[in-house]
Amino acid sequence: DIQLTQSPSSLSASIGDRVTITCRASQGIITYLNWYQQKPGKAPQLLTFAASNLQSGVPSRFSGGGSGTDFTLTISSLQPEDFATYYCQQSYSSPFTFGPGTKVEIK
Amino acid sequence: EVQLVESGGVVVQVGGSLRLSCEVSGFIFNDSTMHWVRQAPGKGPEWVSVISGDGGTTHYADSVKGRFTISRDNSKNYLFLQMNSLRSEDTALYYCVKQWELRTSWYFHVWGRGTPVIVSS
Repeated sequence: DIQLTQSPSSLSASIGDRVTITCRASQGIITYLNWYQQKPGKAPQLLTFAASNLQSGVPSRFSGGGSGTDFTLTISSLQPEDFATYYCQQSYSSPFTFGPGTKVEIK
Repeated sequence: EVQLVESGGVVVQVGGSLRLSCEVSGFIFNDSTMHWVRQAPGKGPEWVSVISGDGGTTHYADSVKGRFTISRDNSKNYLFLQMNSLRSEDTALYYCVKQWELRTSWYFHVWGRGTPVIVSS
């Protein structure tokens, strides 16, 4: 099974900060990596798919990158509505695992 | 509009059984691969199971293999999850999720609101 790790597990940042979250896979998954944002009481929402493709309707301040085993999600200028938990998820092979999450909080 | 509406979640005792349902609308159901994803209180999402559009291919997480069965009724636009031998660690909000297929990949596209399952001892 493919394991996903994320770092950091949580971070505190200010409005306007650049934030980068890392996701590492236990084996190569090419670009079969998606990023989701989840707010309390809501289902996860897709941000980027296939490592670097921005989902329609998602602000351009979000960007994804990477391939193989190392991936990133970057928020170029943090906005108030971005405080949430972020999860990576691999679609390479079953079981289709999620990372443990990164909680982004207000400094 | 694509809609996924789960039902069937209740409080059940350890060792008991439960069948979750998901009624779908707004898309061609038998063309769509569907998943169940669960989320325990205060935890991240955990993928549970997937079924192909024709129902011929299924996969399960190791944690539920042999206890849970995913199925679908394409004539009625329903997805199901039969849950047997329930354990306290199965307590979670269970989401029905529609997959979006890309040429070389896929992602979780539309999520229902979830149905809560509480396994009590």
